[in-house]
Amino acid sequence: AQKITQTQPGMFVQEKEAVTLDCTYDTSDPSYGLFWYKQPSSGEMIFLIYQGSYDQQNATEGRYSLNFQKARKSANLVISASQLGDSAMYFCAMREGDAGGTSYGKLTFGQGTILTVHP
Amino acid sequence: AAGVIQSPRHLIKEKRETATLKCYPIPRHDTVYWYQQGPGQDPQFLISFYEKMQSDKGSIPDRFSAQQFSDYHSELNMSSLELGDSALYFCASSWGDTQYFGPGTRLTVL
Repeated sequence: AQKITQTQPGMFVQEKEAVTLDCTYDTSDPSYGLFWYKQPSSGEMIFLIYQGSYDQQNATEGRYSLNFQKARKSANLVISASQLGDSAMYFCAMREGDAGGTSYGKLTFGQGTILTVHP
Repeated sequence: AAGVIQSPRHLIKEKRETATLKCYPIPRHDTVYWYQQGPGQDPQFLISFYEKMQSDKGSIPDRFSAQQFSDYHSELNMSSLELGDSALYFCASSWGDTQYFGPGTRLTVL
């Protein structure tokens, strides 16, 4: 079974509008972390935002916010005031438990959503 | 701020050749991860090191090996390269939960 599911292969948004990218996850581990990364066409993987499973508040980082609904196992990314430079592939990822000691575990990624921002 | 450094950025090899990819983590980061991203795919975890010891292993072929050195840099060694090894290879480092990725090494096997 897929641990991370992104059901939107592609999304379109008008510049300056908000857009929500969907992500659902599956884990039985009580301790996990959820991440969003942006991958422009140049290929680099840019960290955007993080939500820990025990965090009470939804994470926010500038124009990015994470709509964390634990009971529904969803961690949607909201981008406000879209810009042309936001056009990229967006990956949702999850870290389950840890690898022992003080080390954190590997990331499992979803299939990604390609966001296109129109002027 | 310092970022993860990977070298080389691009590499072209023939089938059955070997390749070595290098990664220099962000200073004071104690964990290094390697991921492979095939064309049009999501990144897949290969292997990780915590304080120079292997901490986890994913779907890494036996033809691949990796290590982390005393200065915390890491190398991914790939032998008997196959066409299917053509991919973008990322190194990431962390101190805490968030992994920061390097720019990647794009490997092309001809």
